[in-house]
Amino acid sequence: EAQVTQNPRYLITVTGKKLTVTCSQNMNHEYMSWYRQDPGLGLRQIYYSMNVEVTDKGDVPEGYKVSRKEKRNFPLILESPSPNQTSLYFCASSLSILSYNEQFFGPGTRLTVL
Amino acid sequence: AQRVTQPEKLLSVFKGAPVELKCNYSYSGSPELFWYVQYSRQRLQLLLRHISRESIKGFTADLNKGETSFHLKKPFAQEEDSAMYYCALKNTDKLIFGTGTRLQVFP
Repeated sequence: EAQVTQNPRYLITVTGKKLTVTCSQNMNHEYMSWYRQDPGLGLRQIYYSMNVEVTDKGDVPEGYKVSRKEKRNFPLILESPSPNQTSLYFCASSLSILSYNEQFFGPGTRLTVL
Repeated sequence: AQRVTQPEKLLSVFKGAPVELKCNYSYSGSPELFWYVQYSRQRLQLLLRHISRESIKGFTADLNKGETSFHLKKPFAQEEDSAMYYCALKNTDKLIFGTGTRLQVFP
């Protein structure tokens, strides 16, 4: 089944403890992206990747890192999480960013930083 | 600056009533707009895109460049339309989302 998977789905952690949220897609998509969803703010893009080894900052990249060593994986890294990073995170992928290409979203990861 | 505005956080209607979810954009150039929907406990998914001029699940959206709007409409709302709706604007190599409108359709 064509899909985007994220792990973990739920995570509670403490301030400063490094964590990684994995994202994987099996559709051979070039474009991958991370968003955070907060009440009243909608979805805001954190980082995106046009292809392997190509990553760029989105609108809210501070406090996050990403890597794209393989086409299928796009992990989100929080080196030193803080409470303001408590949010619902979505990974998405699409064939490319061309207008007719739909973005497929993962199920979301709910992160709580204490 | 490129921006998407959805002025309503919540829209409540009764089944069978017409629905219009508002979306306004700010973009210098020819905009490419989308509507995404998130049903309860489901993933965010594409509902429709203006470039296709399609009707999905009875929803339509027309791009009005004069009013810089891309409102989502449905003549007769159904209970299963209850969901969170996001308008999105393609900006070069990324999507800019609005803050979303929650649609509640009561029986």
